[in-house]
Amino acid sequence: SYVLTQPPSVSVAPGQTARMTCERNNIGSKSVHWYQQKPGQAPVLVVYDDSDRPSGIPERFSGSNSGNTATLTISRVEAGDEADYYCQVWDSSSDLVVFGGGTKLTVL
Amino acid sequence: EVHLVESGGGLVQPGGSLRLSCAASGFTFRIYSMNWVRQAPGKGLEWVSYISSSSSTIYYADSVKGRFTISRDNDKNSLSLQMNSLRAEDTAVYYCAKEHLTAHAFDMWGQGTIVTVSS
Repeated sequence: SYVLTQPPSVSVAPGQTARMTCERNNIGSKSVHWYQQKPGQAPVLVVYDDSDRPSGIPERFSGSNSGNTATLTISRVEAGDEADYYCQVWDSSSDLVVFGGGTKLTVL
Repeated sequence: EVHLVESGGGLVQPGGSLRLSCAASGFTFRIYSMNWVRQAPGKGLEWVSYISSSSSTIYYADSVKGRFTISRDNDKNSLSLQMNSLRAEDTAVYYCAKEHLTAHAFDMWGQGTIVTVSS
């Protein structure tokens, strides 16, 4: 089965840069999307197609994807960025949507 | 403003059935593919099902294949999920999610409806 591996947690101080990874062999050949989910709320798309931002998402959110690792980067982290972050791909070989297990971002 | 509003959740016994609905507004529903995604208590996101804009293409996660049926009514701007033979492991918040026009990314989500399968 298609598995996307995310670290369970990442911690960062306010104003610093948070980097969250999503790993799978040759993930660089896929389009990766990222979601932010705060407690009790529905997920919000923050990056799609590896590095594009939906309207309304701050420029502090950026993404990259190459080789075996996709990365969501949040610059100048704020307390309000504390949330769970999920990566997602469409596996065209099996016509399935796959989510990573999620990373909990803690702002110290 | 784009809105997705789910309904139909509730408590059901194992083996029972439930039908979820999602009412869409604020966008041209008929041109977008739609999905259902669920989240078990304290767990991550799990994709459930996909339906293309014209209903010509439908996909299911292996965990629900043969038990769940997705459908849509473009005249009524609505999406549905018929869930049969429910199991305890189907307990979750169920979200309907609108797909981005050019990417298999979900750019709008409803607030979710809670399904609890328990005796």
